[in-house]
Amino acid sequence: KNEVEQSPQNLTAQEGEFITINCSYSVGISALHWLQQHPGGGIVSLFMLSSGKKKHGRLIATINIQEKHSSLHITASHPRDSAVYICAVASHDMRFGAGTRLTVKP
Amino acid sequence: GAVVSQHPSRVICKSGTSVKIECRSLDFQATTMFWYRQFPKKSLMLMATSNEGSKATYEQGVEKDKFLINHASLTLSTLTVTSAHPEDSSFYICSAYPAGRSNQPQHFGDGTRLSIL
Repeated sequence: KNEVEQSPQNLTAQEGEFITINCSYSVGISALHWLQQHPGGGIVSLFMLSSGKKKHGRLIATINIQEKHSSLHITASHPRDSAVYICAVASHDMRFGAGTRLTVKP
Repeated sequence: GAVVSQHPSRVICKSGTSVKIECRSLDFQATTMFWYRQFPKKSLMLMATSNEGSKATYEQGVEKDKFLINHASLTLSTLTVTSAHPEDSSFYICSAYPAGRSNQPQHFGDGTRLSIL
C-alpha cells in the first residue's frame, strides 16, 4: 500500500464545475503539499499545509491531521486548470501521491 | 518571488555519455536541495537530498556512483548521470527552500527531460 493515496486518478469536468481531489496518507507528517504539474513537466507549489485550511484565488486546500486526509478544491474550474495535481507529504523526506490528472473542458 | 532554475531543460544524447544537470536558486541561498525523478505517467520519486558542503543523502535503491550529486555552493547543486543508458531516460526535477526556512513551500525547477538513445 502506498503511503500517499490520491483519488481520483483521472478527472474530467466541464468548465465552471467545482472540483475536489482527495489525498490520504499513512505516515506522520510535518506538512502536506499540493503541487500542480503542467504538460511539459514544470511543477508549481500550490499550498503547504500543516493544519486547517488555506485559500488562494479559486483554490482551497484543507487538511485533517487526525484523519490523515487532505482535499484540494477548485471553484469555478477553467480549462487552464487542466494539469496533474500531486499531493506530497513531508516527514523525514517527501513522499508523493501518484497524481490526479484533471481535464477541464470548455 | 523565489525561483529555482534548472538547466538544461532537455537533453538527447548517446548511450555511454555522462550528462550534467544544474539546479540553481536564483534569489535565495539553499543549504539543501532535492533531486527527483519521474517516469512517464508515474509519480515523482525522491532520489537524493543534496547538502551544501557535504555528501548527498541517497534514497534506497538509487546508485550513488551512477547519479553523482555535487552541492558546492549555496546556490548550485548538480546531478551528473554517469555513463547514461536508455533506462536512465526520465524527467529529472530539483527543488529547494530558502536556508533556515524548511517550514516554507519548496520551489521547483522546471525539470530536465533526459533521453538516451
